[in-house]
Amino acid sequence: AQKVTQAQTEISVVEKEDVTLDCVYETRDTTYYLFWYKQPPSGELVFLIRRNSFDEQNEISGRYSWNFQKSTSSFNFTITASQVVDSAVYFCALSDTHTGTASKLTFGTGTRLQVTL
Amino acid sequence: DTAVSQTPKYLVTQMGNDKSIKCEQNLGHDTMYWYKQDSKKFLKIMFSYNNKELIINETVPNRFSPKSPDKAHLNLHINSLELGDSAVYFCASSHEPTFTYEQYFGPGTRLTVT
Repeated sequence: AQKVTQAQTEISVVEKEDVTLDCVYETRDTTYYLFWYKQPPSGELVFLIRRNSFDEQNEISGRYSWNFQKSTSSFNFTITASQVVDSAVYFCALSDTHTGTASKLTFGTGTRLQVTL
Repeated sequence: DTAVSQTPKYLVTQMGNDKSIKCEQNLGHDTMYWYKQDSKKFLKIMFSYNNKELIINETVPNRFSPKSPDKAHLNLHINSLELGDSAVYFCASSHEPTFTYEQYFGPGTRLTVT
């Protein structure tokens, strides 16, 4: 069975600090996709990134970067120079093959990031 | 311009009532989903439809019945509401029913059962 673990329940940082959100996953599939979603206080879920299991290159998008390490089954998310607007709950998710039909996202329990001035 | 929309945004009702939540997407996606987010923020899939056909049904009580009149709409009807049904319900859609595509979520419907 697929499982996603986000061990950090809550993180508080001061603006401009760098922060890393951890994500560890379990799957028996050799082909899978990993995702990060952001849920700001307003409640909507915002897609941030998708990464497939064959692509271990790190990715950077502005202040956001992702480190995918298959050897440790981790897909960590770093925010550089955090800002108050980064305050949100961040979810890591895993998508399996599910008999080749629909994509079933298995979510972690989320990490609440609080950025203060 | 809203990609995935849900109505209503808030729903307060009493135990035993029947209620519906509507979802529409204008992304041209083939697949739509319902997720439940509980009070601890845990997100779990409930249903998935592809081109109006049910393809995922995750051990959800049969008081919950999804209906897809066309591939742009997926409604959720709940009979005999219980206190434990209080949660935020998210609709989502994706391009294809394969595991490779990201899902885009609606704004959520906060259901409160009293």
